[in-house]
Amino acid sequence: NAGVTQTPKFQVLKTGQSMTLQCAQDMNHEYMSWYRQDPGMGLRLIHYSVGAGITDQGEVPNGYNVSRSTTEDFPLRLLSAAPSQTSVYFCASSGGTGNTEAFFGQGTRLTVV
Amino acid sequence: DAKTTQPPSMDCAEGRAANLPCNHSTISGNEYVYWYRQIHSQGPQYIIHGLKNNETNEMASLIITEDRKSSTLILPHATLRDTAVYYCIVRFDWYSGGGADGLTFGKGTHLIIQP
Repeated sequence: NAGVTQTPKFQVLKTGQSMTLQCAQDMNHEYMSWYRQDPGMGLRLIHYSVGAGITDQGEVPNGYNVSRSTTEDFPLRLLSAAPSQTSVYFCASSGGTGNTEAFFGQGTRLTVV
Repeated sequence: DAKTTQPPSMDCAEGRAANLPCNHSTISGNEYVYWYRQIHSQGPQYIIHGLKNNETNEMASLIITEDRKSSTLILPHATLRDTAVYYCIVRFDWYSGGGADGLTFGKGTHLIIQP
């Protein structure tokens, strides 16, 4: 049971480039989300999804797009990377109503130069 | 979700109990207290949660005051591997699924276990 898997683990982008951070979970969880963590700070919610086909914005959504075409996958797209998006990105999932625990991936460390 | 206040850092000797406080004076009646920890920039890990009764699991105990305005996470026999940032989170509605639709993380408490 792999849990929540994020790829890549590390990425360097040039300003203006686009890329997709991948997140997959094998626990059949309804809820998935993306967070970013800047140095010395707590995690901040970017986007989340409460099921396939349903997404919503979190605290810091600007510059990021998401979609949820399957239960398993929740990719995060950076359309035009900026240095301000240099951060560590975490994906999380949880099982829906009645569940109490969110499971996090190991993170993607992104540097935009 | 109610705001929480935690000390920025704490030390504890290995083998002793680590007691991490959290203030949540504006908590409402149906908000739960959750604790997560993050070890060395890994993904956060769920520890425990509670509403008003004290809770215990294999990792820790959670003591919530009777007025629910504060709580304490207790790691009974701290080891070096417990060195981490501990986050206290107050969450309105646990029925919405465990928090992957949005957990509000503050800066947490950096717990350092000393050998």
